Amino acid sequence: KQEVTQIPAALSVPEGENLVLNCSFTDSAIYNLQWFRQDPGKGLTSLLLIQSSQREQTSGRLNASLDKSSGRSTLYIAASQPGDSATYLCAVRPPQKLVFGTGTRLLVSP
Amino acid sequence: GAGVSQSPSNKVTEKGKDVELRCDPISGHTALYWYRQSLGQGLEFLIYFQGNSAPDKSGLPSDRFSAERTGGSVSTLTIQRTQQEDSAVYLCASSQLAGFTDTQYFGPGTRLTVL
Repeated sequence: KQEVTQIPAALSVPEGENLVLNCSFTDSAIYNLQWFRQDPGKGLTSLLLIQSSQREQTSGRLNASLDKSSGRSTLYIAASQPGDSATYLCAVRPPQKLVFGTGTRLLVSP
Repeated sequence: GAGVSQSPSNKVTEKGKDVELRCDPISGHTALYWYRQSLGQGLEFLIYFQGNSAPDKSGLPSDRFSAERTGGSVSTLTIQRTQQEDSAVYLCASSQLAGFTDTQYFGPGTRLTVL
């Protein structure tokens, strides 16, 4: 059974810092990995999707890497801003459904 | 439509009552997914539709839960005889195809509270 773990569970940083969120999964037989952010009371917003054949994806200040063989992904956020405060979820995709990690709650202080 | 919509946004019900939650996927998306996010738990898969059929119902927690999709569009998740442990945010997502590489787009969710 696929299990997805995210570390740390919570992170508080001052504005401007670069930070890394970690995601690990137990079964490397995935088709892709997706990073989402969730704001309180809102749904999920897709940030980056990395196909299993890819090593990384970039979007603006975000960079996500994938090492399928070791079952790890990282989300790098450069020059963090208070607007980045949210819960970040990673999810892996065996066929069809997504299996989610428990999330990292990020707080960026001005 | 512009995005996935869900209704109601909030639902408070008494234990033992039935509830229906609705999901309108993005127009043209053939795949539709239901997930549940309970307090202190991660997001868990409930059921997935390809068109109007549900190839994977493996996540439905009990036979009190059922879902249907009509016309390849709107889906309804029904919970019968609700229990307090059913309290959660129910999220719906859709994707253009049911392939393994498609991005799933999520709705804002329905927050269900069972008293």
